[in-house]
Amino acid sequence: SQTIHQWPATLVQPVGSPLSLECTVEGTSNPNLYWYRQAAGRGLQLLFYSVGIGQISSEVPQNLSASRPQDRQFILSSKKLLLSDSGFYLCAWSAGPVGYEQYFGPGTRLTVT
Amino acid sequence: KQEVTQIPAALSVPEGENLVLNCSFTDSAIYNLQWFRQDPGKGLTSLLLIQSSQREQTSGRLNASLDKSSGRSTLYIAASQPGDSATYLCAVRRNQFYFGTGTSLTVIP
Repeated sequence: SQTIHQWPATLVQPVGSPLSLECTVEGTSNPNLYWYRQAAGRGLQLLFYSVGIGQISSEVPQNLSASRPQDRQFILSSKKLLLSDSGFYLCAWSAGPVGYEQYFGPGTRLTVT
Repeated sequence: KQEVTQIPAALSVPEGENLVLNCSFTDSAIYNLQWFRQDPGKGLTSLLLIQSSQREQTSGRLNASLDKSSGRSTLYIAASQPGDSATYLCAVRRNQFYFGTGTSLTVIP
């Protein structure tokens, strides 16, 4: 069966510090991968999605970036965090671009102080 | 741009009651609609996926319907239990998923 992992589970970082969140998927190949942010009282916001290694699409302009160095690994990064980057970051995967269910990881709670 | 609305934002019901959660969307050109459950501080758990050609899907005590032409979906929960307490999110998919802000459900023992 397929599983999706995210780490760390929680993170507290000062403003201006770098960020690296990692997501890995097991039990499937060539998944579509997604990064979402869920801010308090707001819906999920799609940040990035990837249909293959090295292929990243950005949905929202921001100081975040994403990379996909391996087929089942998706990384969310920032060089300098802002207070507004605080939130709950969720990684998700689906077997294809359309018509498929999306499955989510356990999330990372990021607090920028 | 697709907008997804879920009403009510919060709902509290006594245990055993049947209930309906609503989801509406503005653009009917969707590929599918998915209902999720989110427990506090946790990721999303997929409940049901309805393809655009389908009218409903059932899983256990859950039944989801889709009326694409009117831009509506409902999630019916039968015989609610305290363990059903969570936030329920719907998402519609075109080129990407668009999520509603969810309905927070509390089932009172």
